[in-house]
Amino acid sequence: EPEVTQTPSHQVTQMGQEVILRCVPISNHLYFYWYRQILGQKVEFLVSFYNNEISEKSEIFDDQFSVERPDGSNFTLKIRSTKLEDSAMYFCASALAALAKNIQYFGAGTRLSVL
Amino acid sequence: AQRVTQPEKLLSVFKGAPVELKCNYSYSGSPELFWYVQYSRQRLQLLLRHISRESIKGFTADLNKGETSFHLKKPFAQEEDSAMYYCALRGGKLVFGKGTKLTVNP
Repeated sequence: EPEVTQTPSHQVTQMGQEVILRCVPISNHLYFYWYRQILGQKVEFLVSFYNNEISEKSEIFDDQFSVERPDGSNFTLKIRSTKLEDSAMYFCASALAALAKNIQYFGAGTRLSVL
Repeated sequence: AQRVTQPEKLLSVFKGAPVELKCNYSYSGSPELFWYVQYSRQRLQLLLRHISRESIKGFTADLNKGETSFHLKKPFAQEEDSAMYYCALRGGKLVFGKGTKLTVNP
């Protein structure tokens, strides 16, 4: 069964550094998402991406964050200058379609630790 | 505003006992409701969604628009049901509840 793949599984970085979290969505999917989960808290929506542009973003997704689909397979989340509070699990998800048929398939997550 | 409330952070039952994980939502439009499950060391995966009206692994959930609820139920819990369960609502974006950790004891 096809899966969403995320790399790395754990990323450790120094505060102020840039990080790029990588995701390979399921190949025929068209909708891509990033979520994060701070330890002990709920899964929070960050951004959705369709047709090479952001379709929706949350208030968390400020100017420090960006997403890109640099080629036909990867979907990346970049945090330009990491803060301690960016430490969280980051989940990528993809879906074939939006709305009524929307089943989002999740990756295993990348644990980001900002020191 | 979209909001999902799962009032129980932890739920512990014995094997064979019925289990109900509560979920209430707030949304002004017509909601799509989902239950996602995360087993230990595994990824989030869809368990079921209200539009399918199906039973998966013995679990069912009925959307009650009057009570704005989408409680997850199973008549006889199994040890392998132990996991984190997240209720989620899609109006535009997918909004998750805080999750309920279910432990089924032998």
